[in-house]
Amino acid sequence: EAGVAQSPRYKIIEKRQSVAFWCNPISGHATLYWYQQILGQGPKLLIQFQNNGVVDDSQLPKDRFSAERLKGVDSTLKIQPAKLEDSAVYLCASSLYRGGFQETQYFGPGTRLLVL
Amino acid sequence: GEDVEQSLFLSVREGDSSVINCTYTDSSSTYLYWYKQEPGAGLQLLTYIFSNMDMKQDQRLTVLLNKKDKHLSLRIADTQTGDSAIYFCAESMGGGGNKLTFGTGTQLKVEL
Repeated sequence: EAGVAQSPRYKIIEKRQSVAFWCNPISGHATLYWYQQILGQGPKLLIQFQNNGVVDDSQLPKDRFSAERLKGVDSTLKIQPAKLEDSAVYLCASSLYRGGFQETQYFGPGTRLLVL
Repeated sequence: GEDVEQSLFLSVREGDSSVINCTYTDSSSTYLYWYKQEPGAGLQLLTYIFSNMDMKQDQRLTVLLNKKDKHLSLRIADTQTGDSAIYFCAESMGGGGNKLTFGTGTQLKVEL
C-alpha cells in the first residue's frame, strides 16, 4: 500500500513570495491533515479536512495561508505572501474515518520550506 | 488549554532500557500516542494507548499511563542504535475531530 505522498520535498523562497505544497493521501482515507513543524518543536495542526469539507482550521493564519481539497482526495496548501517565520516542515497526514473511534494518522515525509 | 511537555534529550548505551516521559494537561484526552521521527523523515506511529488503560506492551515497547498525574511514559527495552531518533508523545480526543496535540519531542541518542 502506498503511503502519503508530498511534493516538493524542499523549497527555498524569498519573503513575500508565494509557495504551494501538494499532498496525496493514502487511497480511501477520507480525513486529511496539514501540520506545521517548526525546528525544535512538535507538529501543530493547521487544517483538517473530512472529504472536501473543513473540520478544523482554527490555527490556520488565514490572512496568508489557504488550503483546498476540491475532489476529496489530493490537497494543496498555499502561503501567500511568505514570511521568515513560515520556515518549517509542512507535514501532511491522512486517516481512515471510523466514525468516532480511534483513527491512526499516517504521515508523509514532509516539505521543508526555507524563507529567506 | 492543551499542553504536552517532554524532556528534550536522553542518552543511553546500546542494550540498556530507555524511558521517555511525557506530561499532558487535557484530562479529556481519549487516546495517547507515541511517534518516532528520524532525520529528514515524517512521523512513524509506534503505539497508542486508550485512556482507560494503565499499560500496553508491544514487543520491545511498553507504554505506562498514569491518568491521575497525567503522565505517560515509553520504555524501549534493549535499545539499539537504530532507535536513535526524536520521539513525540501526542494526545487526541479521538472521533471525528481527532486533532493530535504533540509534545516538543525527546531526542534519544543511543551510544555504543
